[in-house]
Amino acid sequence: AQSVTQLDSQVPVFEEAPVELRCNYSSSVSVYLFWYVQYPNQGLQLLLKYLSGSTLVESINGFEAEFNKSQTSFHLRKPSVHISDTAEYFCAVSRPSGYSTLTFGKGTMLLVSP
Amino acid sequence: DTEVTQTPKHLVMGMTNKKSLKCEQHMGHRAMYWYKQKAKKPPELMFVYSYEKLSINESVPSRFSPECPNSSLLNLHLHALQPEDSALYLCASSQAGTGDNEQFFGPGTRLTVL
Repeated sequence: AQSVTQLDSQVPVFEEAPVELRCNYSSSVSVYLFWYVQYPNQGLQLLLKYLSGSTLVESINGFEAEFNKSQTSFHLRKPSVHISDTAEYFCAVSRPSGYSTLTFGKGTMLLVSP
Repeated sequence: DTEVTQTPKHLVMGMTNKKSLKCEQHMGHRAMYWYKQKAKKPPELMFVYSYEKLSINESVPSRFSPECPNSSLLNLHLHALQPEDSALYLCASSQAGTGDNEQFFGPGTRLTVL
């Protein structure tokens, strides 16, 4: 079985400041890693994913995440946040084989203020 | 078309009512999912359909009855629900039921049980 820990339930930051949202996972087998974002009153959107290859993955809106196998982490970063980045961010894992079931962390609410 | 649609957006029902939630995708995906999301919590998997067959039922009470009439449609029939079933119900789809496939989420149906 796998599990995901998001250490911060809420992260308040000022606009244009950098941010890091932490994610650690536990699994006895290799996993795929995902970050999903949920804006208020909406469904989830995939932000970025790590399947294999380069450990640094980037999204089109300036977020990046780095897979660290030794630390079993997949932290999400953005060098300069905008008000519009205010949302709930979920880290998730799935197994490479079998059904594509996602195990989610509890989520981190990113609150960006002016 | 990279969209998953869900109807209705909002639903209020009494404990004796029978209602249905509908989900539709036209991306040619062969795996579809129902999730339940309570406020400030991550989505919890309820059911997985793969090639129109029920593959996973996460011990969901029988008052929730899923149906997959064809590869584009997924329904969730509701009967004799309890107030604690009030939540956001999310539908998702992916190309196939393996772990490396991105799940596309709909906007959800917000259900209130009185």
